[in-house]
Amino acid sequence: DAGVIQSPRHEVTEMGQEVTLRCKPISGHDYLFWYRQTMMRGLELLIYFNNNVPIDDSGMPEDRFSAKMPNASFSTLKIQPSEPRDSAVYFCASSPNRGELFFGEGSRLTVL
Amino acid sequence: KQEVTQIPAALSVPEGENLVLNCSFTDSAIYNLQWFRQDPGKGLTSLLLIQSSQREQTSGRLNASLDKSSGRSTLYIAASQPGDSATYLCAVRYSGYSTLTFGKGTMLLVSP
Repeated sequence: DAGVIQSPRHEVTEMGQEVTLRCKPISGHDYLFWYRQTMMRGLELLIYFNNNVPIDDSGMPEDRFSAKMPNASFSTLKIQPSEPRDSAVYFCASSPNRGELFFGEGSRLTVL
Repeated sequence: KQEVTQIPAALSVPEGENLVLNCSFTDSAIYNLQWFRQDPGKGLTSLLLIQSSQREQTSGRLNASLDKSSGRSTLYIAASQPGDSATYLCAVRYSGYSTLTFGKGTMLLVSP
């Protein structure tokens, strides 16, 4: 398996623009997690899905953030409108039930 | 509140030394514990997963131990090499939870 695949790896955009980050989890993993990492706050859990269903989105900072998982092999994290304080590295991770967690390489977002 | 603490925050050692990274957690009711490595600008790479019924796990020069009663895990790195330089994160899956609680990591620098 190729592991967790994220795109884009880097995104530079201007304040107010819509940003969409994509993730393909490892096949067979029924849990998918979105994290955000910054120097100030470290690694933060934004939302996670089980069998494509959002279970806990309490970490999503604002209504500007939304996440979907239309099928077992694809998820998106959308920020609309983006703000400079959203600049961070966004990670997607997947795991089997209570099993080992595997991370993607991350999407580095810069909002100017 | 369930927390994970890693001490020290940073560690610098000369090549060849054996070293120990520490991780402590506040609740002994854990399901498993996972150690990760993160290189600058990269995602998190899983190193070892220890189930609550296990006392230790080994992979090459790495050995992770788990003592639930004292709320501690250690990551032992034998014969350290400059390529071991990275940030090491500990994460705990508490019983009844599907998510991991992460420590803030220990930044390791191994000098030649």
